[in-house]
Amino acid sequence: EAGVTQSPTHLIKTRGQQATLRCSPISGHTSVYWYQQALGLGLQFLLWYDEGEERNRGNFPPRFSGRQFPNYSSELNVNALELEDSALYLCASSLRGDSYNSPLHFGNGTRLTVT
Amino acid sequence: AQSVAQPEDQVNVAEGNPLTVKCTYSVSGNPYLFWYVQYPNRGLQFLLKYITGDNLVKGSYGFEAEFNKSQTSFHLKKPSALVSDSALYFCAVGGGQAAGNKLTFGGGTRVLVKP
Repeated sequence: EAGVTQSPTHLIKTRGQQATLRCSPISGHTSVYWYQQALGLGLQFLLWYDEGEERNRGNFPPRFSGRQFPNYSSELNVNALELEDSALYLCASSLRGDSYNSPLHFGNGTRLTVT
Repeated sequence: AQSVAQPEDQVNVAEGNPLTVKCTYSVSGNPYLFWYVQYPNRGLQFLLKYITGDNLVKGSYGFEAEFNKSQTSFHLKKPSALVSDSALYFCAVGGGQAAGNKLTFGGGTRVLVKP
């Protein structure tokens, strides 16, 4: 079974630009979650998508947005990049909209560097 | 609001000795508790979870965790550590779908197992 795949592996942008990160969930998983892992800040919950809808959002500004496509893959968009957006962005998927009975499966992340 | 504390940034242990990684939590209602492990340049891997039932939960790679409601703790344990257990360990708490499927992670504890 293929795991959660994320692309690109690394992304370098300059301040003010936009970044697009992509995630493909495990086959059959309908829920996709995005987390930010910044140095010294642990994992911060960003977004949860299930069946194409945004279901929950973490404490991040509106310039962090995303969407989920009919095939359940997902994009995370970060507009007007700031230096502090530099982090590892992790995508996770679960079997259904219940991350407790169906634990999260994580991808290897996209390392975003903003210069 | 839900929160997790991992009081130790790093735990050093000799191979063959018991390993304990501490976690305390705060959540409204019944807690859903998880442990994940992150190896270098990889995403998080699920180790074990407590939803309900027996306070001692057994998981992958010989790990177990003990849920203690009175102390609001969920410490991760392994009777005999291996060098290959060296990694970053995250405790997480959730409040179910009523909490928007949001998992809140602790800051992580780096485990170093020396030969």
